[in-house]
Amino acid sequence: NAGVTQTPKFQVLKTGQSMTLQCAQDMNHNSMYWYRQDPGMGLRLIYYSASEGTTDKGEVPNGYNVSRLNKREFSLRLESAAPSQTSVYFCASRLTAFIDNQPQHFGDGTRLSIL
Amino acid sequence: GQQVMQIPQYQHVQEGEDFTTYCNSSTTLSNIQWYKQRPGGHPVFLIQLVKSGEVKKQKRLTFQFGEAKKNSSLHITATQTTDVGTYFCAVYSGGGADGLTFGKGTHLIIQP
Repeated sequence: NAGVTQTPKFQVLKTGQSMTLQCAQDMNHNSMYWYRQDPGMGLRLIYYSASEGTTDKGEVPNGYNVSRLNKREFSLRLESAAPSQTSVYFCASRLTAFIDNQPQHFGDGTRLSIL
Repeated sequence: GQQVMQIPQYQHVQEGEDFTTYCNSSTTLSNIQWYKQRPGGHPVFLIQLVKSGEVKKQKRLTFQFGEAKKNSSLHITATQTTDVGTYFCAVYSGGGADGLTFGKGTHLIIQP
């Protein structure tokens, strides 16, 4: 049981390049999330998908797009990478959205550097 | 959405000493979750507190939820090197949005 799998684990981009971060979960969860983690800032929500076919903005959505490809997969795309997007990106999932008493399960993260 | 302030940002302790991190909100929380992140790792769920004044224990870890449900704490007794990491409190955003709002975390550094 892999849980939440993120690819790639590391990536270096040049300013202006595009890339898609992949996330897949095998726990039959309905809800999936993308966070970024910067030093001293904790984790901040970028986008989430409460269920297959829906996506919504979080706290810091600018510069990102997402796709909920199916129930298992939720991708994050940077169309034109900027140095300010250098961060560690975590994907997470949980069984059902909008029910407070459920934990989130996190992937191992993607460490992204933009030069 | 709801926000939480977490203190201290860093805590250095000698191995065997106790450690406490605090999480505070200006609004009443429906519940609060705690996560641990090891260096280079990902956040891992520890526990959820729901009831006013609730106290839960996991071995050397004690979690408390305030009577007014505006604050919470995590206390570790007799720290060990395996406790090293960052401890986060987190609450669901509310206001019609989903997703967790995290405190900035407390980094626990243990000196042997």
